[in-house]
Amino acid sequence: GAGVSQSPSNKVTEKGKDVELRCDPISGHTALYWYRQSLGQGLEFLIYFQGNSAPDKSGLPSDRFSAERTGGSVSTLTIQRTQQEDSAVYLCASSLGQTQYFGPGTRLLVL
Amino acid sequence: GQQVMQIPQYQHVQEGEDFTTYCNSSTTLSNIQWYKQRPGGHPVFLIQLVKSGEVKKQKRLTFQFGEAKKNSSLHITATQTTDVGTYFCGGGSSASKIIFGSGTRLSIRP
Repeated sequence: GAGVSQSPSNKVTEKGKDVELRCDPISGHTALYWYRQSLGQGLEFLIYFQGNSAPDKSGLPSDRFSAERTGGSVSTLTIQRTQQEDSAVYLCASSLGQTQYFGPGTRLLVL
Repeated sequence: GQQVMQIPQYQHVQEGEDFTTYCNSSTTLSNIQWYKQRPGGHPVFLIQLVKSGEVKKQKRLTFQFGEAKKNSSLHITATQTTDVGTYFCGGGSSASKIIFGSGTRLSIRP
């Protein structure tokens, strides 16, 4: 595709529910990143996939967060038992080298 | 672990004034990248610096990478309203993971 796409663009959920966020990276990009950005804040690293290597999960804030990348392409970030503090914009980025190309993000609101 | 600090957090300038944001890493970097995020948008890549002491220019923007490859700066000359946004630095390690600074939010008085 022309760029990184993410879905849904907005998600409103109730506290305690599970959510799945999807990222379609740029075709051929071997690296995929998930970040969280709270309102007016910086980019908080969550998880990093590189090719077939084991993902770097060092940024996941709790065991309620998990992510997978199927076939080295599409990635899904899952948040279980959502909490209000999970409300943020979740950004996905992909890269072939060092330059990261960001998607438009998913804005998650937990009520 | 590696940390990247960025200052200032906010900068409010009069249109036409200069602006500088600074980025400091706790460890030596293999490269540093700069991104700009417009209000309501997503980060967009501006430039990458790789060499010690490197200086690159993009029109009114000047990017520097320190001699020790642990700090960097972005300087904008004669700001315009189109420069509004948050500027992030990202420090690259040999493992290819980038750690971002917290960003500097630039606002401009017309």
